[in-house]
Amino acid sequence: EVQLVESGGAVVQPGGSLRLSCLASGFTFEDYTMHWVRQAPGRGLQWVSLLNWNGHSTYYEDSVKGRFTISRDDSKNSLYLDMNSLRTEDTALYYCVRETAQLVLEDWGQGTLVTVSS
Amino acid sequence: DIQMTQSPSSLSASVGDRVTITCRTSRPIVTFLAWFQQIPGKAPKLLISAASTLQSGVPSRFSGSGSGTDFTLTISGLQPEDAATYYCQKYNSAPHTFGQGTKVEVK
Repeated sequence: EVQLVESGGAVVQPGGSLRLSCLASGFTFEDYTMHWVRQAPGRGLQWVSLLNWNGHSTYYEDSVKGRFTISRDDSKNSLYLDMNSLRTEDTALYYCVRETAQLVLEDWGQGTLVTVSS
Repeated sequence: DIQMTQSPSSLSASVGDRVTITCRTSRPIVTFLAWFQQIPGKAPKLLISAASTLQSGVPSRFSGSGSGTDFTLTISGLQPEDAATYYCQKYNSAPHTFGQGTKVEVK
C-alpha cells in the first residue's frame, strides 16, 4: 500500500523559513516523480512544484520560484520542500503527491499545515 | 502558461440528476486532463485520467470526455455521497495547473 506522510508544518512569521518532509513507503520511491500541491484554507488546489524521478528536473509555480526548493533523498525515501521568505499567502495545507507512470497525481498524503502569521 | 477555466463554481442538484462540469484550457492539451474529487477534510481523489479513463474503483456513473481545449466531467445519476468539490488539472507540462473547482451540493 502506498503511503505518503508529510511533516514539518508549523506556525512561522512572515519572512521565515521552514522545511517540509514527506516519507514514502509501499513503492520504489526512486522510480517516481513527486509533487507538492497546496490548499489555502477554504480555497482550491494549487500545484506548487515537481521533482522528476532522477532528480534532474525541477519545476515551480511562479509565486514560489526563487523562494522554495524541492529535493529528494532516495536513500531515505523522502521528499522535501525548503521554503524561504515565507509570506502570509503561503499559508496552506501542503500535500505530497506521487505521479504515476501515466503522469497523473494518483497518490496523496494527508497534508501538513503551514501557517505564516505574525 | 496555459490558463484553466472551470465552470460552474458551484451547483445544486437532486439525487438521480445528471450533472455536468466543464473545464476549458487556453491552449490545446490533447487529452492530458485529470479530474479529482475532494470531500471536505480529505485529500483529493483521482477519478479520471487522460480526459476519459475512469480509475479503478470509481463508480461508472462518473465519466469524462473531451480533447484539445474543452473537457467535461459528467455524473449520471447523482448520489448523496457525490457531494464534494471537483477539480480538473492539466498535466501535459509544468505548471500542472488546477481548475478553480466546482462545489456540488446534493439536495
